[in-house]
Amino acid sequence: AQSVTQPDIHITVSEGASLELRCNYSYGATPYLFWYVQSPGQGLQLLLKYFSGDTLVQGIKGFEAEFKRSQSSFNLRKPSVHWSDAAEYFCAVRAANRDDKIIFGKGTRLHILP
Amino acid sequence: EPEVTQTPSHQVTQMGQEVILRCVPISNHLYFYWYRQILGQKVEFLVSFYNNEISEKSEIFDDQFSVERPDGSNFTLKIRSTKLEDSAMYFCASRGTGGMEAFFGQGTRLTVV
Repeated sequence: AQSVTQPDIHITVSEGASLELRCNYSYGATPYLFWYVQSPGQGLQLLLKYFSGDTLVQGIKGFEAEFKRSQSSFNLRKPSVHWSDAAEYFCAVRAANRDDKIIFGKGTRLHILP
Repeated sequence: EPEVTQTPSHQVTQMGQEVILRCVPISNHLYFYWYRQILGQKVEFLVSFYNNEISEKSEIFDDQFSVERPDGSNFTLKIRSTKLEDSAMYFCASRGTGGMEAFFGQGTRLTVV
């Protein structure tokens, strides 16, 4: 069965520092990969997605992610975080070419130090 | 830009009461989903719906839950007799045929007291 692992429950970085949130997936077939962000009490906002092609994808708010098939990873990065980036980040996967559901990781809560 | 709309945004209900959460998926989308997120936890899949029937459901989706597409535009989730542990944010999502991503609504926060 497909699964998504986000090994870091909490991450704290200083404002202006770089960020990398880790995501590993387990799935036999080609996956579609997503990163969502959720502010407290709010809905899910899609940051970026990977379907095929260039393995480095750009998203909104200055985020990017890199798909590494050999490592089954899809890590999220941002070169310089802002206080407004403090939120919960969810990695998600869906099987490509199948009528399948999206599976979410447990999330990583990002804290920003001033 | 088309979006998935969920109503109400917040619902409070007494334990044992029936509750219906409503969703209007994006027009022309044919795949529909409900997810649940208990406060502070991950987003969990409940059920997927296609061609007027459930295509997949999780172990969470027991006999207390049901889904329906009553009129071709709405997609509802009914909880027959709510329990305290049903308190959560419920997200609806829809996807078009051949679409790669599902689009999520803003969620309904259900509080069972």
